[in-house]
Amino acid sequence: ETGVTQTPRHLVMGMTNKKSLKCEQHLGHNAMYWYKQSAKKPLELMFVYNFKEQTENNSVPSRFSPECPNSSHLFLHLHTLQPEDSALYLCASSPWTGTKNTGELFFGEGSRLTVL
Amino acid sequence: AQTVTQSQPEMSVQEAETVTLSCTYDTSESDYYLFWYKQPPSRQMILVIRQEAYKQQNATENRFSVNFQKAAKSFSLKISDSQLGDAAMYFCAYRSAGNTGKLIFGQGTTLQVKP
Repeated sequence: ETGVTQTPRHLVMGMTNKKSLKCEQHLGHNAMYWYKQSAKKPLELMFVYNFKEQTENNSVPSRFSPECPNSSHLFLHLHTLQPEDSALYLCASSPWTGTKNTGELFFGEGSRLTVL
Repeated sequence: AQTVTQSQPEMSVQEAETVTLSCTYDTSESDYYLFWYKQPPSRQMILVIRQEAYKQQNATENRFSVNFQKAAKSFSLKISDSQLGDAAMYFCAYRSAGNTGKLIFGQGTTLQVKP
């Protein structure tokens, strides 16, 4: 299997549930990202990991908890979410970015989350 | 902070015709990268074309080309000979030449291709 794979593709959860989104990349990249895509809004960067270390947390509420056990896997743990958290959550990966590396992102198909 | 603006929420083009999508950005940096991404209805975002700010020559990928105006901070995408498969949402994105790989996206433009 190649590319970036996200599971589940669709998730419906209540505000008191705990669930997790999973992302796996088979591209040999060292950086991984979570983006939130809501209707009529630009993609919002949530978290960035480089070599398993979190390098960016874009003021994301603590009800979203990322985990990166290795460079190929990224999780987003969800608990006590709000209806406004309903969105498409996109995972992406990229090669380790140096000054001459364009660092283009490779995206998964996303996990569509609905919070009731 | 850097920002990216796409002022056209929706565009339409006749099949085989040419269309241009607009993008402007704001930055105080001199070294950066610009991208156009395509998100078809199946949702997986794919890279269409990229431009390094230090290169004066406009990037071209088959039917896709950009008009990069660094002084004006403008980065438009031209699609020639439009095909039905070009119908998608298109995002303009900016990345600093640092090490985080963080992309800043515009709001997106939905392109409709009419047969």
